[in-house]
Amino acid sequence: DAGITQSPRHKVTETGTPVTLRCHQTENHRYMYWYRQDPGHGLRLIHYSYGVKDTDKGEVSDGYSVSRSKTEDFLLTLESATSSQTSVYFCAIKAGNTEAFFGQGTRLTVV
Amino acid sequence: AQSVAQPEDQVNVAEGNPLTVKCTYSVSGNPYLFWYVQYPNRGLQFLLKYITGDNLVKGSYGFEAEFNKSQTSFHLKKPSALVSDSALYFCAVRDDSGYSTLTFGKGTMLLVSP
Repeated sequence: DAGITQSPRHKVTETGTPVTLRCHQTENHRYMYWYRQDPGHGLRLIHYSYGVKDTDKGEVSDGYSVSRSKTEDFLLTLESATSSQTSVYFCAIKAGNTEAFFGQGTRLTVV
Repeated sequence: AQSVAQPEDQVNVAEGNPLTVKCTYSVSGNPYLFWYVQYPNRGLQFLLKYITGDNLVKGSYGFEAEFNKSQTSFHLKKPSALVSDSALYFCAVRDDSGYSTLTFGKGTMLLVSP
């Protein structure tokens, strides 16, 4: 798993509540990413980071924010969860000119 | 903007037969192409990549992919399928902006029957 830990692995939350997902890496990689996976859409990029406090938006960033105060942690926050944010969320890292490695995913259900 | 198309939602093949999972792409610059596999309730696992060089790329678990620039395709292949190859396969293209974000296809479910 390339030293990537996502937490929690599963979460059920109510509409309108804030939710934070955590991605932790142990290998000091510069680039980190959040994707969501939905049937019929594959994986889509939410936000990415290219260093501490350096982040940018991806294809489906509306309703999400991120923070990276330490190299090893990349947090994804849903400020006010909606049912459309029910999904499986994957964190990924990349080192140098290599492929990206993905975490095990967080299954989020918004009821 | 770059894009990836996987035209088949599902591919069915009998064990021992060759398999092909199709992928076409659209990019403005040089293509950096990847295949990932996802087993049930798991994350994505890297299979292989094309950055430059030989058009036939060999990867993990006996898979290979053929890069065809004129047809903008990067089809995944295996000479002899195994039941254990049954999984969801994603093709992806990496952007050349320097941030290395990936654009994925919608995925193709491969079902290998005994």
